[in-house]
Formats: sequence, C-alpha cells, structure tokens
Amino acid sequence: DAGVIQSPRHEVTEMGQEVTLRCKPISGHNSLFWYRQTMMRGLELLIYFNNNVPIDDSGMPEDRFSAKMPNASFSTLKIQPSEPRDSAVYFCASSLSDTDTQYFGPGTRLTVL
Amino acid sequence: GESVGLHLPTLSVQEGDNSIINCAYSNSASDYFIWYKQESGKGPQFIIDIRSNMDKRQGQRVTVLLNKTVKHLSLQIAATQPGDSAVYFCAEIFAGKSTFGDGTTLTVKP
Repeated sequence: DAGVIQSPRHEVTEMGQEVTLRCKPISGHNSLFWYRQTMMRGLELLIYFNNNVPIDDSGMPEDRFSAKMPNASFSTLKIQPSEPRDSAVYFCASSLSDTDTQYFGPGTRLTVL
Repeated sequence: GESVGLHLPTLSVQEGDNSIINCAYSNSASDYFIWYKQESGKGPQFIIDIRSNMDKRQGQRVTVLLNKTVKHLSLQIAATQPGDSAVYFCAEIFAGKSTFGDGTTLTVKP
C-alpha cells in the first residue's frame, strides 16, 4: 500500500507565479482533504471532496486558491498568483468516508519568495 | 517586527514513564475524535480514535479518554519511549469536517 502520494515534496517559487500541488489518494478512499500547516495557525482544513465532489471549501483563504478532483485517483490544489504568505506545508489526506480516519500524505513544503 | 506563532504546550517525560496529553474541544455535537502523531518533516499519523458513545478506548500502549461533560479528551501513553517524541494533535469531527487542536510537543528524555 503506497499511502497518499503528494508531489512535489518541495516547491520554491517567486511571488506572482502559479503553483500546482498534486495528490493521489489511497485507492478505494472516497474522501480527500487538503490542509495547510503553518507555525502561525497550525493545521487548517482548506477543502474536502466526497466522491470527487467538493463538499466544504470554507477554509480556502481566497480566490487565488482553487482545488479540483477530476477523478477518484487525483486532485490538485492551485495557487494563482502565489504570495509569500502562502508559504507553508500543504498536506493531502484521504479516508474511506468523511467520518473515517484520515491518512495523510508526506506534504509539500511551499516557499514563495 | 517580531513574529508571533502558536505557543504549543510542551510535555517532557523520562523514558519509561507514562505520558498524559490533554485536549479541549469546542463543539459539543462532535461525534468522533482522533489523536494524531506528527514527527518532524512528516504528515500526521493516526494513533487512536474514539466515538462519542464511548468514554474510553485502549490500544497498544495508548488509551484515549473522552469526557463529554467538560469537552475534554486525553491521550495516555504507557512506558513512553524516545520514538514517541513528536507533536500530538487531537481532532474533533462533526458533519464530516475535522478541526484540529494546536498540538502538544512531547519530548522523551532517555
């Protein structure tokens, strides 16, 4: 079992650039979550999907952030344009359902200069 | 200017001692609770969970206690080992949405 796969593991970009983070959930899991972790605010839920459909995006900071899940095995989180305050570790997690245990990926460490 | 971040509670214990990590949750309607362990450079990892219809659940070396009256959750680790050093988060789940606590840093001294 490969677990949740995220890419890239590290991303360094300049302010104003578009950033795309990728996630492959555990096969058979129906729920997928995107989180952001910073020293200032801890672990925050950004958005989650059930069966590829976005259910709650109230945690998405602003319109610069968007997430998609075109199929059951792939999701993206896009930031356009990126800003230095977006620097954080972004985690993807998946679970059988949204009331089951979530399994986290290794995270993507994003640095926006 | 000076940056202000989360001031995580810390717990330092001697190897072999028992550890108790506490968490206060906010939503009395939350019906599912999970403890996660996060080691440096890794994602949170599931440790143990408990549903709201229970007040205690035991795993291997870990026990979770739930007190719904005061909205309090605790994680007990028996015979703490150096490998237990990490940040521990509690999460409350309601209507599919997880809310994480700020975390407690556990340091185990050999």
